[in-house]
Amino acid sequence: NAGVMQNPRHLVRRRGQEARLRCSPMKGHSHVYWYRQLPEEGLKFMVYLQKENIIDESGMPKERFSAEFPKEGPSILRIQQVVRGDSAAYFCASSQDESNQPQHFGDGTRLSIL
Amino acid sequence: ELKVEQNPLFLSMQEGKNYTIYCNYSTTSDRLYWYRQDPGKSLESLFVLLSNGAVKQEGRLMASLDTKARLSTLHITAAVHDLSATYFCAGGPMEYGNKLVFGAGTILRVKS
Repeated sequence: NAGVMQNPRHLVRRRGQEARLRCSPMKGHSHVYWYRQLPEEGLKFMVYLQKENIIDESGMPKERFSAEFPKEGPSILRIQQVVRGDSAAYFCASSQDESNQPQHFGDGTRLSIL
Repeated sequence: ELKVEQNPLFLSMQEGKNYTIYCNYSTTSDRLYWYRQDPGKSLESLFVLLSNGAVKQEGRLMASLDTKARLSTLHITAAVHDLSATYFCAGGPMEYGNKLVFGAGTILRVKS
């Protein structure tokens, strides 16, 4: 499967724990985007990364959230000290470059906070 | 800041009927995308519209873009049950780089 791969598909955490969400872009894609989808809402942009660089993090909450896309390995979205309001579906998308071609999405990680 | 509004948010229609979903955006958007999402699944790209007057068709779906009116439409012709899904439009001016702003989505239910 050459699509965008996200894992885990489902993640349950207790309040105060850390959540790590992983995303491997499509083969040949070096641009990664993270979006959050709350129930019955559209997707909200969080962050845009290229290898080893954060390009736009204007949608990231200022605290507890961080993202990286290392030279080797998947992109990671990390949420520290999770709270109930972090419960959502987190989608990763990738693109080959900065052209207008559509972003390709993964299946998402459903994060539930107990 | 760009805002994208879709209407209706929920659409229930009979098989065989036609209908249109509207996507209005508040400021300039240099590109407009339509995506489909099935429950619990990812988003599937349907159309990319890049210029005023652009029209694209795939099967029973046709999308158009009017940049002067800041409006895109997704027209459904002779709906079938398999079209039941949530449809999102998304856009963004070039100054946003690759950041996309999504509408809230339109839940489409096609009844047999």
